[in-house]
Amino acid sequence: DIQMTQSPSILSASVGDRVTITCRASQSISDWLAWYQQYPGKAPKLLIYKASTLASGSPSRFSGYGSGTEFTLTISSLQPDDFATYYCQQYNSYSTFGQGTKLEVK
Amino acid sequence: QITLNESGPTVVNPTQTLTLTCNFSGFSLITNGVGVGWVRQRPGKALEWLALIYWDNDRRYSPSLRSRLTIIKDTSKNQVVLTMTGMDPVDAGTYFCVHRVPGGGPDWNEAIFDYWGQGTLVTVS
Repeated sequence: DIQMTQSPSILSASVGDRVTITCRASQSISDWLAWYQQYPGKAPKLLIYKASTLASGSPSRFSGYGSGTEFTLTISSLQPDDFATYYCQQYNSYSTFGQGTKLEVK
Repeated sequence: QITLNESGPTVVNPTQTLTLTCNFSGFSLITNGVGVGWVRQRPGKALEWLALIYWDNDRRYSPSLRSRLTIIKDTSKNQVVLTMTGMDPVDAGTYFCVHRVPGGGPDWNEAIFDYWGQGTLVTVS
């Protein structure tokens, strides 16, 4: 199984901040990595796939980067709607998700 | 507009079989490349992909849960059904029905999901 490790688990930030979340894979996954956003009590929403491709409807302030084992999700200027939990997912071999990063208001 | 809606029991007894139904609309499971699956979210655990079924009835399962899962489709009803045997309290959580992004993955075991149901909460007690 490919393990996905996200850091940090919790990130405190303010509106307007630039924030970065990291996701590491236990082995190389090329660029088969996706990011999801989830609000409490709601289903996850696909934000980015193929490490850096924005999904339809995703705001341009979200960007993804990386390949191999290390990946990042960056939000260039936090908006109020961005406070949520973010998950990475590898889909190089079956599918596994990270434990999530909760982005909270500082 | 694609929608998916899960239904099933809110409580199951330990050792029983869980049966969940996904009713979907906005697409057809007879269209080449289309896949529908299930993902669960247990308290304190990462999201976990469970199973996928494709337009051609190809079925894919999580290796760790393969022995307990069965996924079937009824294209006339636009339904996908997941059964999970031997339910245990650790299986409690929210179960989501998901639509696979066409071509989203290097092979048929792999998938990303662009549409999700609202989820159905299952308790095992």
